[in-house]
Amino acid sequence: TQLLEQSPQFLSIQEGENLTVYCNSSSVFSSLQWYRQEPGEGPVLLVTVVTGGEVKKLKRLTFQFGDARKDSSLHITAAQPGDTGLYLCAGASSTSYDKVIFGPGTSLSVIP
Amino acid sequence: GAGVSQSPSNKVTEKGKDVELRCDPISGHTALYWYRQSLGQGLEFLIYFQGNSAPDKSGLPSDRFSAERTGGSVSTLTIQRTQQEDSAVYLCASSPRGQNYGYTFGSGTRLTVV
Repeated sequence: TQLLEQSPQFLSIQEGENLTVYCNSSSVFSSLQWYRQEPGEGPVLLVTVVTGGEVKKLKRLTFQFGDARKDSSLHITAAQPGDTGLYLCAGASSTSYDKVIFGPGTSLSVIP
Repeated sequence: GAGVSQSPSNKVTEKGKDVELRCDPISGHTALYWYRQSLGQGLEFLIYFQGNSAPDKSGLPSDRFSAERTGGSVSTLTIQRTQQEDSAVYLCASSPRGQNYGYTFGSGTRLTVV
């Protein structure tokens, strides 16, 4: 069974600070996705990373896929209150082409 | 439509009653997924439809849960004889074929069993 772990579980920071959240597994994934979910809404896809070592940037957000495709990180620079939400990583199973496995999420609160 | 639509947005039901939750995916998306999310938790996979293939029901927690997808489009998730532990947000997502595209989620149905 492929499992994803995320850390930290909760994070509360001041506006302007930098932060990194992590997504780890003992399994290899063919691709990995990051989503952000705000209260009362469904998750929204932020990025998909496919190649080991790949780095993608989305404004102040930087996503990296580990070389071995078992882990990923999300770094936010100069966090803003609008970044508040639940960050979920999801790995595409190497054995089930269309079904991803979700991690438990990191709940981020950015205080003005 | 432009996005994934779910109805109702909120549902309060009495223990033991049956409920039906509806999902209208993005037109042309062949894959449709149902997930369950308890308060402050991650997403629990329930069921997955892909085109005309037999659905992957491996995540359904009991035989009280069932789902169908008519005409490759709209899907209904049915929970029979609801229990309090069924209270959660039920999320539907759709996707074009291929995991690299990512999922588009609806806003969910918040189910409360009293």
